[in-house]
Amino acid sequence: GESVGLHLPTLSVQEGDNSIINCAYSNSASDYFIWYKQESGKGPQFIIDIRSNMDKRQGQRVTVLLNKTVKHLSLQIAATQPGDSAVYFCAESDNAGNMLTFGGGTRLMVKP
Amino acid sequence: SAVISQKPSRDICQRGTSLTIQCQVDSQVTMMFWYRQQPGQSLTLIATANQGSEATYESGFVIDKFPISRPNLTFSTLTVSNMSPEDSSIYLCSAGQGRNEQFFGPGTRLTVL
Repeated sequence: GESVGLHLPTLSVQEGDNSIINCAYSNSASDYFIWYKQESGKGPQFIIDIRSNMDKRQGQRVTVLLNKTVKHLSLQIAATQPGDSAVYFCAESDNAGNMLTFGGGTRLMVKP
Repeated sequence: SAVISQKPSRDICQRGTSLTIQCQVDSQVTMMFWYRQQPGQSLTLIATANQGSEATYESGFVIDKFPISRPNLTFSTLTVSNMSPEDSSIYLCSAGQGRNEQFFGPGTRLTVL
């Protein structure tokens, strides 16, 4: 399939380690944030979201942290597995509309 | 969650021609969107497909180049008109009940020669 993320920043981690993927946003009016995972040849897959009235939200093996003071978002993946290898995008929106603005993306590579 | 399919999954086209991409959702949704993703890049919103009215285009995208239809709450089409090699990209459809939890189709990989 088509490769995604050929020119994106890459994070390489050992299988079983924890991964932290970071995202900076610029719109101080953004109040809703989503992390997506995109595997090669596929569309983005929803992972987890968080609203601006929260600073942390946990899912299965994933945690999203939001720091509104410095406009920073992170995705933590516990016990990273080979199946986690993909490109990860953050997206944000504000209550002015329904559109999402996507960040640049990070490619996660998991070494066995 | 909504399941979204796109047709065709990929195509190779000659410059100057047009291609229509179809997006089908397995349930009625309020919002449908079209994105472009160039190789190694992030997603850029082309337009919001509004049911029963004209699409809303983002800066840099115009209706003459990317006409969009949305005849009902489960279907939309995007046409890439008068194609040039610069239009080679992945085109993605997404759908959802507003900005929350937008679900994406698998994408259409377009190559223009």
